Amino acid sequence: KAGVTQTPRYLIKTRGQQVTLSCSPISGHRSVSWYQQTPGQGLQFLFEYFSETQRNKGNFPGRFSGRQFSNSRSEMNVSTLELGDSALYLCASSLAYPALNEQFFGPGTRLTVL
Amino acid sequence: AQTVTQSQPEMSVQEAETVTLSCTYDTSESDYYLFWYKQPPSRQMILVIRQEAYKQQNATENRFSVNFQKAAKSFSLKISDSQLGDAAMYFCAYRSGDSGGSNYKLTFGKGTLLTVNP
Repeated sequence: KAGVTQTPRYLIKTRGQQVTLSCSPISGHRSVSWYQQTPGQGLQFLFEYFSETQRNKGNFPGRFSGRQFSNSRSEMNVSTLELGDSALYLCASSLAYPALNEQFFGPGTRLTVL
Repeated sequence: AQTVTQSQPEMSVQEAETVTLSCTYDTSESDYYLFWYKQPPSRQMILVIRQEAYKQQNATENRFSVNFQKAAKSFSLKISDSQLGDAAMYFCAYRSGDSGGSNYKLTFGKGTLLTVNP
């Protein structure tokens, strides 16, 4: 069974641009969570989706948004990029919500904002 | 809000020896889950071990075991017979298990970088 896939793996953008990251969960998994990982702040929760509905949201500005499609694939969007948005963005999937058992992580998308 | 603290930014261990990584957490909830995740240099995060707060017995997974002290809010990871492949960043994480509508997000500690010396 294929694992969680994230595209693209690497991305370079400039300040003010917007970006869309994609995550395909493990087949059969219906819950997708997004995390931002930076050296300074560590791993921070962005949001979690289940059945195309946002179930939880972290403490990030409105520039960060996401959605989930009927096939459970998820996208996150960051508008008006800032230098501080440079990070590794991790997606994780789980069978159901709440994901009290294991979350399976993807390899991440490395976003660099210049 | 729940917090997770890993007080050891870096640890090292000799191959075949035992090492313990520390984690403490702060919560007012009685029902929750604790996890240790491993992130090797390739960056793919994988689950090492999981503990339900209502279980008194410490979880074990082969060479990995935890020492869960609920009253002290401590959740340390012991790696026995350390191998070169154990070298990675280890994250302790907390997730609420309260079914009363709590936020079920994973809250991570800052991580401990483990080096295994041959």
